[in-house]
Amino acid sequence: KAGVTQTPRYLIKTRGQQVTLSCSPISGHRSVSWYQQTPGQGLQFLFEYFSETQRNKGNFPGRFSGRQFSNSRSEMNVSTLELGDSALYLCASSLTTRNYEQYFGPGTRLTVT
Amino acid sequence: GQQVMQIPQYQHVQEGEDFTTYCNSSTTLSNIQWYKQRPGGHPVFLIQLVKSGEVKKQKRLTFQFGEEKKNSSLHITATQTTDVGTYFCAENQGGSEKLVFGKGTKLTVNP
Repeated sequence: KAGVTQTPRYLIKTRGQQVTLSCSPISGHRSVSWYQQTPGQGLQFLFEYFSETQRNKGNFPGRFSGRQFSNSRSEMNVSTLELGDSALYLCASSLTTRNYEQYFGPGTRLTVT
Repeated sequence: GQQVMQIPQYQHVQEGEDFTTYCNSSTTLSNIQWYKQRPGGHPVFLIQLVKSGEVKKQKRLTFQFGEEKKNSSLHITATQTTDVGTYFCAENQGGSEKLVFGKGTKLTVNP
């Protein structure tokens, strides 16, 4: 089985711009979660989607949003980028998140200048 | 919200020495998952513990879940350079789909 794929792998944006990141889960996995990883805050949960519905949301401002399509692929969007949004954004897929292992993608490294 | 505290933040050992990282919570954990992230890589699932007092082994790695389900540990016997990386514990917060991670323990091994 192919693993979780994320595009793009690297991205440089300017403050105030918006960005869309994409994630393709492992075939058959219907749950997709997004995490932000920074040296200071570690791995922080952004949101989780299952069957096109957001089931859980972390403590991030409304500038962070996401969606899931009928084929389980997911996108996350960050609007009005701030310098502090520079991070590694990781997507993980699972059969379902509760009590199941999550398979992480390689991540998208976002740099905001 | 509930947090999982992980210690130590860093651990440097000589190859062949043992290593242990701990996760603690003030409230009962629904489960504990352990992940390893190699430098420049992404987290990779190692194991999940669900039952009180559970102990699981994977070769040189031993995972434990406390009797009160408020703490967990990962112990590596006779570390090797391939063990280098950051080890994270995580919990499905309140049994939900939201996976909350500890801050991780970064392990470096001197050959």
